[in-house]
Amino acid sequence: AQRVTQPEKLLSVFKGAPVELKCNYSYSGSPELFWYVQYSRQRLQLLLRHISRESIKGFTADLNKGETSFHLKKPFAQEEDSAMYYCALSGLNSGNTPLVFGKGTRLSVIA
Amino acid sequence: IAGITQAPTSQILAAGRRMTLRCTQDMRHNAMYWYRQDLGLGLRLIHYSNTAGTTGKGEVPDGYSVSRANTDDFPLTLASAVPSQTSVYFCASSKGGRGANVLTFGAGSRLTVL
Repeated sequence: AQRVTQPEKLLSVFKGAPVELKCNYSYSGSPELFWYVQYSRQRLQLLLRHISRESIKGFTADLNKGETSFHLKKPFAQEEDSAMYYCALSGLNSGNTPLVFGKGTRLSVIA
Repeated sequence: IAGITQAPTSQILAAGRRMTLRCTQDMRHNAMYWYRQDLGLGLRLIHYSNTAGTTGKGEVPDGYSVSRANTDDFPLTLASAVPSQTSVYFCASSKGGRGANVLTFGAGSRLTVL
């Protein structure tokens, strides 16, 4: 079964401090991992996906198959990063298997 | 503007009433999804459709039904609403196939069942 665990419901950091939002997964096959974000009064949107291996808005995430993790990191948090972040999982090359989301972590960046 | 339109934006409903949440997309995406968002529980999949004419059950399908008569529309029906169905409902779509997991979301429908 697919499962995504985000252990922190709320994470508060000061502006300029490093941020790490944790995500662990359980999946028997080859996983495809995503981070989706919901800013205040905006729609849920894709932030990044592991196969793209890119940095979006200063955020990066590396898939660690040994630790079954896909933590989201940013070296210096900005106030505009305050949002709800969801880690999501599907199977690579699984065709049309829907995404499974974690419970989300609310990031609050304090000025 | 291309995207997903959900209606209504917000609704208060008496328990036992029937309610249909509407979802329309104009991106010609093959796959569509309904999720509910609850505090502390995150996003949970209710039903999905990989292509017009087909539907599938998600994690929490009980009390809900869907239909996919065409590519653009994917309504979600609560046959007899109960208070536990109070939630924010999100419709989403994706191209399907290898692009299946890049979802475009609607703005959400906030439903309160009293």
